[in-house]
Amino acid sequence: ETGVTQSPTHLIKTRGQQVTLRCSSQSGHNTVSWYQQALGQGPQFIFQYYREEENGRGNFPPRFSGLQFPNYSSELNVNALELDDSALYLCASSGMAADYYNEQFFGPGTRLTVL
Amino acid sequence: RKEVEQDPGPFNVPEGATVAFNCTYSNSASQSFFWYRQDCRKEPKLLMSVYSSGNEDGRFTAQLNRASQYISLLIRDSKLSDSATYLCVVNMGGYSTLTFGKGTMLLVSP
Repeated sequence: ETGVTQSPTHLIKTRGQQVTLRCSSQSGHNTVSWYQQALGQGPQFIFQYYREEENGRGNFPPRFSGLQFPNYSSELNVNALELDDSALYLCASSGMAADYYNEQFFGPGTRLTVL
Repeated sequence: RKEVEQDPGPFNVPEGATVAFNCTYSNSASQSFFWYRQDCRKEPKLLMSVYSSGNEDGRFTAQLNRASQYISLLIRDSKLSDSATYLCVVNMGGYSTLTFGKGTMLLVSP
């Protein structure tokens, strides 16, 4: 069974640029959630995709957008990067959106630095 | 009030010690509860789910008090390998999304 993978592992961008982060979900999982973890903080929920549709969104501005593909992999896009966007971006996959005790499996993350 | 609040850390304990982490959550409609462990510069990993009846997994015991909106994690006989940040996590309903606390760092020394 292949776990959750993310690419790239590290990325450096400058303010105003755009970035795309990628996530491949674990085999058999149809739900992908994205989280932002700033240094010294817990992960913050950005949004979730279930069967290619956005299924919930946290308190993040519209310049954070995403996609899920038919194979359940996903992208997170961030436009007009700001210094505060520097963080570890985590992708988590799970089997069913409606199971409250369903475990989410996290990928290793993409560390984004905005200069 | 923050949605999920944890003890500020770090906790420095010797090997063999018993350590307890506390967590409170603000949303009384929360559906499920977890403790995740995160090693330095790694992704969070599920340590254990927390059920109303309380549950135990080896040296780890988790308790939930819905009336007080309080969750705890007890680690007995601490090992060096237990050094990590422990994240209290709550599913507040809706889309199976997780709300994380800030985390409490545990440092176990020889």
